[in-house]
Amino acid sequence: GDSVTQMEGPVTLSEEAFLTINCTYTATGYPSLFWYVQYPGEGLQLLLKATKADDKGSNKGFEATYRKETTSFHLEKGSVQVSDSAVYFCALSDLFSTDYKLSFGAGTTVTVRA
Amino acid sequence: DAGVTQSPTHLIKTRGQQVTLRCSPKSGHDTVSWYQQALGQGPQFIFQYYEEEERQRGNFPDRFSGHQFPNYSSELNVNALLLGDSALYLCASSLGVASESPLHFGNGTRLTVT
Repeated sequence: GDSVTQMEGPVTLSEEAFLTINCTYTATGYPSLFWYVQYPGEGLQLLLKATKADDKGSNKGFEATYRKETTSFHLEKGSVQVSDSAVYFCALSDLFSTDYKLSFGAGTTVTVRA
Repeated sequence: DAGVTQSPTHLIKTRGQQVTLRCSPKSGHDTVSWYQQALGQGPQFIFQYYEEEERQRGNFPDRFSGHQFPNYSSELNVNALLLGDSALYLCASSLGVASESPLHFGNGTRLTVT
């Protein structure tokens, strides 16, 4: 079945540092790929998405490129802020499947220190 | 514009008891999905409701059941609670059942089974 593997955390960074969270996936069809963010005490929020190979999703300074050849969707931000401290989840769904669910990775906890 | 609302926010139950969690979707949304997020894990899909019917189900036992009402709100019921059912239960709403339809998550209900 479809699955997502993401970099284990926790990750601790200083403000203005570069952030990368690795995500790889396994899917039999044509997945859409997502990054969700969960701030403390809150539900998940969609951060960005990409629906086909070579698409780049971007939002709030975060970027991720859908790489079909390496089955990856790594999340990057060039200069993190304390407010970026959260848990980040990589997820996929298969556009052409009757299986409507999102499959999530285990999450990566990011802490940014001032 | 009200987002997805869930109630209660926290709940403590004893093994063997039954619990009902509630969800009101974002205004304009007609589809509700439920996810279970165990501590330190990514959300796992339980099931999805559309047009008052269960459309898709994840790998959860029959102790987990649900309902969708004509106003699109939904309930998740869990019978014969086990310690392992302790988790954050997330409700997500969307417009339609297509897997590319963005999900909007509520803040979740934290269930503790003792």
